Amino acid sequence: DVKVTQSSRYLVKRTGEKVFLECVQDMDHENMFWYRQDPGLGLRLIYFSYDVKMKEKGDIPEGYSVSREKKERFSLILESASTNQTSMYLCASIAPGSSYNEQFFGPGTRLTVL
Amino acid sequence: GQNIDQPTEMTATEGAIVQINCTYQTSGFNGLFWYQQHAGEAPTFLSYNVLDGLEEKGRFSSFLSRSKGYSYLLLKELQMKDSASYLCAVSSDSNYQLIWGAGTKLIIKP
Repeated sequence: DVKVTQSSRYLVKRTGEKVFLECVQDMDHENMFWYRQDPGLGLRLIYFSYDVKMKEKGDIPEGYSVSREKKERFSLILESASTNQTSMYLCASIAPGSSYNEQFFGPGTRLTVL
Repeated sequence: GQNIDQPTEMTATEGAIVQINCTYQTSGFNGLFWYQQHAGEAPTFLSYNVLDGLEEKGRFSSFLSRSKGYSYLLLKELQMKDSASYLCAVSSDSNYQLIWGAGTKLIIKP
């Protein structure tokens, strides 16, 4: 079974803190994605990566950065957390050889910035 | 611009049939996905359509008309566990990025 895990289910941080969200997949996936999900807005792509050390900006990269030092791990970094970054963060990856290139999601991290 | 529209919320009765519509306007088209997302959980893949027509998978079916920019997800013999949000997403190019609709929250009543 494909498995995508995220470091925390719930996280509470203070404004200005540096926040690390980690995503790990165990199936040698090349393509990995970070989204945020807010009510009424659907999933919005923050960054994606198609290989180690490669990264591309998505639709809303401002205030975020990413790191992909190893194939299995894709980290999302909030350099200085702000209250408008309170959201559900979802990591996804695509398994090589999957029938439809469907994205497999981790369980999500609900981040609250106070 | 690129846009995907789907109803915000629908209500149906246990045992009945419900159709969730999705219309899209994108610069390209490489396929349309439906995902199911229970409250507080991650989305899970339901179906994929790239050619026109109906794809059936058990109680769930998905239809696509590329000329109309239209898809629907049909759920039969509704069960209480089908209460969830259903997300429509389109792949508009070849780099695996998806454009997502806001999701349709489906409420099943006994």
